[in-house]
Amino acid sequence: GDSVTQMEGPVTLSEEAFLTINCTYTATGYPSLFWYVQYPGEGLQLLLKATKADDKGSNKGFEATYRKETTSFHLEKGSVQVSDSAVYFCALSPNTGNQFYFGTGTSLTVIP
Amino acid sequence: KAGVTQTPRYLIKTRGQQVTLSCSPISGHRSVSWYQQTPGQGLQFLFEYFSETQRNKGNFPGRFSGRQFSNSRSEMNVSTLELGDSALYLCASSAHSDRTSGYGYTFGSGTRLTVV
Repeated sequence: GDSVTQMEGPVTLSEEAFLTINCTYTATGYPSLFWYVQYPGEGLQLLLKATKADDKGSNKGFEATYRKETTSFHLEKGSVQVSDSAVYFCALSPNTGNQFYFGTGTSLTVIP
Repeated sequence: KAGVTQTPRYLIKTRGQQVTLSCSPISGHRSVSWYQQTPGQGLQFLFEYFSETQRNKGNFPGRFSGRQFSNSRSEMNVSTLELGDSALYLCASSAHSDRTSGYGYTFGSGTRLTVV
């Protein structure tokens, strides 16, 4: 079945460091891929998405490229800030239906 | 525009009781999905409603049920509560007809249920 495997956390970085959170997926067909972010005490917010192979999603300095050949959608940011501290979830949506499959989440803490 | 609204934000119930959670989607969104989030299991899909019909259901016991009204508002009910039902329950709405691909969810802030 469809699934998402996400890098285990927690991840602790210094401010202005480079961030990579790995995400790989298993799916039939051509799913859409998403990154969501969850701040403490809140629901999930859509960070970025990509709907077809080689698409790059980007938002707030974060980027992820849909790589079908490696079935990956790694999240990157060139220079993290303290305000980026949150839990990040990779997710996929099959091309039919409305059920999302989420990874287990990666907790990121950025220290000044 | 207003986001997804979930009420109440916090709830404490006793084992064996039942509980009803409410979700108001973004205006115009007809799809509402529910997820359970726990530290051990992560985000698990409960069910999805579209135009008052349950279209998808996750692997949860029959104690978990839901419904959707004609104005797209949705309720989730859990009967005979167990300690393991303690979790953050998230509602998400989506603007789509029959395909999700390409659309994202907009999540509410969740209802934190504690069963004692």
